[in-house]
Amino acid sequence: EPEVTQTPSHQVTQMGQEVILRCVPISNHLYFYWYRQILGQKVEFLVSFYNNEISEKSEIFDDQFSVERPDGSNFTLKIRSTKLEDSAMYFCASSRFSYEQYFGPGTRLTVT
Amino acid sequence: GQQVMQIPQYQHVQEGEDFTTYCNSSTTLSNIQWYKQRPGGHPVFLIQLVKSGEVKKQKRLTFQFGEAKKNSSLHITATQTTDVGTYFCAGRWNQAGTALIFGKGTTLSVSS
Repeated sequence: EPEVTQTPSHQVTQMGQEVILRCVPISNHLYFYWYRQILGQKVEFLVSFYNNEISEKSEIFDDQFSVERPDGSNFTLKIRSTKLEDSAMYFCASSRFSYEQYFGPGTRLTVT
Repeated sequence: GQQVMQIPQYQHVQEGEDFTTYCNSSTTLSNIQWYKQRPGGHPVFLIQLVKSGEVKKQKRLTFQFGEAKKNSSLHITATQTTDVGTYFCAGRWNQAGTALIFGKGTTLSVSS
């Protein structure tokens, strides 16, 4: 069964550094998403991406964040100048249509 | 911003007992989805409800969408230890929208 993959599984970075989280969505999916989940809390929507552009973004997704689909398979989330409060699990998801979303296993980001 | 309230936050049951989690929005939803997240795992799609008053069943799970499309519930009959996890509702207010706004989730624990 196809699945969303994410790399790395765990990323440790120092405050102020830039990180890039990578995702490979399911191949025939058209919509791509990033969510984050601070430990023990709810899943928070960051951004959705369709047809090579951002469809929607939340208040969390400010100028510190950017997304890119650099080629036909990868979908990346870049966080510039990381802060302590960016520490969270970041989930990538994809969907064929704007319907059932398939989540990847997540990247745990730890900012020290 | 839009949000969904979910109760209870935690529920512990004996194996074989029933379980219900409730989700509520102050404004009319376009549709609502339910996800399950096992401890240490990622959200897994369970179902989407779209129509007013809709009821869907998946084996021991029954999902309902209120007549006013402002509330939803998930009921599990005769819980099993495999039902352990956090159940999230996630709502959309715009039919054409892509963002999913998650509730805080209900964490279910089951003792045998």
